[in-house]
Amino acid sequence: RKEVEQDPGPFNVPEGATVAFNCTYSNSASQSFFWYRQDCRKEPKLLMSVYSSGNEDGRFTAQLNRASQYISLLIRDSKLSDSATYLCVVNTIPISSGSARQLTFGSGTQLTVLP
Amino acid sequence: DTAVSQTPKYLVTQMGNDKSIKCEQNLGHDTMYWYKQDSKKFLKIMFSYNNKELIINETVPNRFSPKSPDKAHLNLHINSLELGDSAVYFCASSQDRLNTEAFFGQGTRLTVV
Repeated sequence: RKEVEQDPGPFNVPEGATVAFNCTYSNSASQSFFWYRQDCRKEPKLLMSVYSSGNEDGRFTAQLNRASQYISLLIRDSKLSDSATYLCVVNTIPISSGSARQLTFGSGTQLTVLP
Repeated sequence: DTAVSQTPKYLVTQMGNDKSIKCEQNLGHDTMYWYKQDSKKFLKIMFSYNNKELIINETVPNRFSPKSPDKAHLNLHINSLELGDSAVYFCASSQDRLNTEAFFGQGTRLTVV
């Protein structure tokens, strides 16, 4: 089982649509969670951190369910510029590395917003 | 000013060659990383350094050797390049190795022919 799993998509949605991405993680000791965005042929960039109480940043809402080990990202009123790959990221302690933490990335969900 | 910069951006080389990728961050961060992104776009950590000390060394061939002369630099040297090494290599840094955001360089697209 992968440490972080995402639906790869692709998601093709019209402008103005609401779209939701889901992610599950396997390590119950994980303590911090993020959504990153990666544009084609570019580096990943932080979109938002995910907090236990849920958090919102403009059109973006992130939710965390620790009991189910589940993270979600909701995008409202999609824009053409939202087209990208969205990466679910979990800060974990890998077995091979003692107490050192590392960011483990999901394989990403591709979103295309259509005019 | 670029926060995390890596060079070169593109690297095309023949099998068997040795090459290096350089990375520098000007954010004053303690922790730096190398990630590999394969053709399926999956980002996998290779190495992590904290204050010049190796703290994560995932299962990568011995042909890959990271070097951190100081905490602002983390270079990646690859010996005897193979076709399967073709990928995009990203350098990243974070304030510390705990729960903080990572900032990525623009990536080095390595093609081994």
